[in-house]
Formats: sequence, structure tokens, C-alpha cells
Amino acid sequence: SQKIEQNSEALNIQEGKTATLTCNYTNYSPAYLQWYRQDPGRGPVFLLLIRENEKEKRKERLKVTFDTTLKQSLFHITASQPADSATYLCALVRSNDYKLSFGAGTTVTVRA
Amino acid sequence: GAGVSQSPSNKVTEKGKDVELRCDPISGHTALYWYRQSLGQGLEFLIYFQGNSAPDKSGLPSDRFSAERTGGSVSTLTIQRTQQEDSAVYLCASSPRNSQETQYFGPGTRLLVL
Repeated sequence: SQKIEQNSEALNIQEGKTATLTCNYTNYSPAYLQWYRQDPGRGPVFLLLIRENEKEKRKERLKVTFDTTLKQSLFHITASQPADSATYLCALVRSNDYKLSFGAGTTVTVRA
Repeated sequence: GAGVSQSPSNKVTEKGKDVELRCDPISGHTALYWYRQSLGQGLEFLIYFQGNSAPDKSGLPSDRFSAERTGGSVSTLTIQRTQQEDSAVYLCASSPRNSQETQYFGPGTRLLVL
């Protein structure tokens, strides 16, 4: 069956360090993969999209990699700040489709 | 401009009652989605509307769930004869026709079935 797994439910890091989150999938051929941020009591907010033929995308302090051979995406937050504390969700979309299939999310807490 | 809005923000109901959840998408967005987020689980796709096309209802978990979108704008998700397992956050998202890759989410409706 299709499965999307994100690493450990919670990640606690010191301010200034890099947070690395993983998203692994099985029995899926995504056309692209997205990362969202979700704060408590709020809806997810789009951060980055990476396509199947792209290996890396950057946006400010965020970096996403996509390895379709390993069936894995890595999401990095560099020079982390307490304001980065949130739950981060990965989502996959198949070709010719727009439905998002989400992982359960990883909660990041950045300590000052 | 205004984002996606949803109402009510919270709903407590008794098992067996019907509930209606409302979504106002961003003006001009042709695509509208409903998702369900249960505690500790990822968002689960429910239904997708695109313009005047027939909706994709493939994610609706049972025939107690239905949704409609009037005039290509506001959408209502109806759950009939609610069960305790229906308790979750129901999220609505919309996207423009020319950029459907990015979905803009509302704050969600937190439903608790007692």
C-alpha cells in the first residue's frame, strides 16, 4: 500500500543549528513533492515545491532535496530560529493530479 | 487580500446529529479541496471541485459525507448522522486555475462528536 513517512514526531534543536527532516514514500510515483508549515490551530502554509526531475530547491534559509531513487526528500532549516518552531508536513502529488497526499508531520522546536 | 475562511471554527455535536461546515475560498480560485486531519495523522483528502467539472469524491469515507459548491465559490461539507470517529479538523483549501500546484488552506473547523 502507499505510504508516506516523516521522521520522528518531534525534533528539538538549539537556535542557530540546522534542522533536517526526512520524508520517505513507498509505492508512489510523485510528479512533485511539497513542504508545508503548520502552526497550532492554523491551516498548513505552502513553503516549497520540488519536481521529480529536480534534485534541490532553496528558499532563503530553507533547502529541499528530492531523490526519486531513494524515494526520499530532505528538508533543511539552516540557522534555525525560535520562530521556526512548528510542524512541517510533506505532501506528494501524482502526475495529472492535484490531490495532496500528506505525511503525518514532524514537530520542530527551536530552543533559544 | 482575504484568505480562505471557514466556519464555524469549532463545532461540538452529539452523535447522530448532522453538521454543516462552510468554506469560502479565495476570490477567483477555481479549485477547492476538503481535507480531514485527525489527531496524530496526516491530512486526508476528501473531495475536490474544479470549476464546473464533476467533483472528485474519491476520498469521502462514507455515504454520510457529502459536499457541494454553489456558484463556483462557497462550499459546504455535510456530515450526516455523525459518529465519534468523525471528530477531527476539517480543512478547506483553494487554488487558482493557472497555478493549481499551490494550495491555500483555511484555518479549519474543529469538530468534536460526543
